[in-house]
Amino acid sequence: EAGVTQFPSHSVIEKGQTVTLRCDPISGHDNLYWYRRVMGKEIKFLLHFVKESKQDESGMPNNRFLAERTGGTYSTLKVQPAELEDSGVYFCASSPLRLSGRLGTQYFGPGTRLLVL
Amino acid sequence: KQEVTQIPAALSVPEGENLVLNCSFTDSAIYNLQWFRQDPGKGLTSLLLIQSSQREQTSGRLNASLDKSSGRSTLYIAASQPGDSATYLCAVSRGGSQGNLIFGKGTKLSVKP
Repeated sequence: EAGVTQFPSHSVIEKGQTVTLRCDPISGHDNLYWYRRVMGKEIKFLLHFVKESKQDESGMPNNRFLAERTGGTYSTLKVQPAELEDSGVYFCASSPLRLSGRLGTQYFGPGTRLLVL
Repeated sequence: KQEVTQIPAALSVPEGENLVLNCSFTDSAIYNLQWFRQDPGKGLTSLLLIQSSQREQTSGRLNASLDKSSGRSTLYIAASQPGDSATYLCAVSRGGSQGNLIFGKGTKLSVKP
């Protein structure tokens, strides 16, 4: 079974440009999460999809960040326009939606390393 | 506001030693707690998940305990090996519709041969 995949693995852009990150969750996982780690800080939650719906986007830093999950499959996270403080590692994670409602293990992708110059 | 703290920030031990990594959280109303390892430049690998109703979980040489009332969890690694060298992260979930994880900064473990 393929794990969570993310593309690209690295991205270097200039301030003011646009970048789109993609996450493909494990097949069948309805929960999809985005997290970010800025240098020297802990990993922080950005948002949570259940299928194609945004369940919780309380961690999104500002309206320059736009996340979508088309058809409840893969997800994209667009940063437009990018600022210097957006540099960091962006992780995607997925987990199955259990009938019991219990939350299970979140499986993480390798991350996208974004550097804004 | 939930905060997760991991002590120590870094740890170096000789191969074969048993060791304990610590994680504390400020709000005991957690749904579950996960321990992850992260190798340099790689993603997070889930090691153990403990539901709030559980006291411990074991996987091979790893044992994680949870004391929800005191806001503490420990990860015990038996007979450490150089391959255990990595950063270990602790994360708690609030559960319900809020399934997001709240992470500590991690403990960087180095096991010397």
